[in-house]
Amino acid sequence: ETGVTQSPTHLIKTRGQQVTLRCSSQSGHNTVSWYQQALGQGPQFIFQYYREEENGRGNFPPRFSGLQFPNYSSELNVNALELDDSALYLCASSGPGRRNTEAFFGQGTRLTVV
Amino acid sequence: AQSVTQPDIHITVSEGASLELRCNYSYGATPYLFWYVQSPGQGLQLLLKYFSGDTLVQGIKGFEAEFKRSQSSFNLRKPSVHWSDAAEYFCAVGPPGYSTLTFGKGTMLLVSP
Repeated sequence: ETGVTQSPTHLIKTRGQQVTLRCSSQSGHNTVSWYQQALGQGPQFIFQYYREEENGRGNFPPRFSGLQFPNYSSELNVNALELDDSALYLCASSGPGRRNTEAFFGQGTRLTVV
Repeated sequence: AQSVTQPDIHITVSEGASLELRCNYSYGATPYLFWYVQSPGQGLQLLLKYFSGDTLVQGIKGFEAEFKRSQSSFNLRKPSVHWSDAAEYFCAVGPPGYSTLTFGKGTMLLVSP
């Protein structure tokens, strides 16, 4: 069984640009969550997708958006990048089912905004 | 709103000594509780979890944690620390049955020879 994979592993963007991060969920999982981990902080919940629909959102502005595809992979899009968006972005998958109990994390994408 | 407090930012333990990392949470009911470990530049690995039942839970790598409802705590313990345990440890809570998690700020464990 394959684990959660994220791409790219590292990314450097300029302030004001847009970025797309990708996540492939673990086999059999239909729920994907995204987290932002700033340096020296714990991960913060951005949003969750269940069967292609948003299933909860944390305290992040609308310029953070996402998608989930029929194969349950997911994208995180961030528009109008700000310096404070520099962080490790973690994807976690869980399931099957909307009510599930354990999240498996990918290795993350390190985003640097300059 | 739920929250997690890990009071210790850094802890240094001698190799072979015992370890206890503290975690306190705020939640309206009994949440699901988790401990994750993160090595530098890596994702999160689940050490153990508590959903219900026996309040002492065993995890991987020789770790255990005890849920104390009266203290709203879920402290992580290990009887003998190995140098490879040096990493950052995160306590997390989530609503029962759902995988959305609220994390603490983490405790960095340093292991001295």
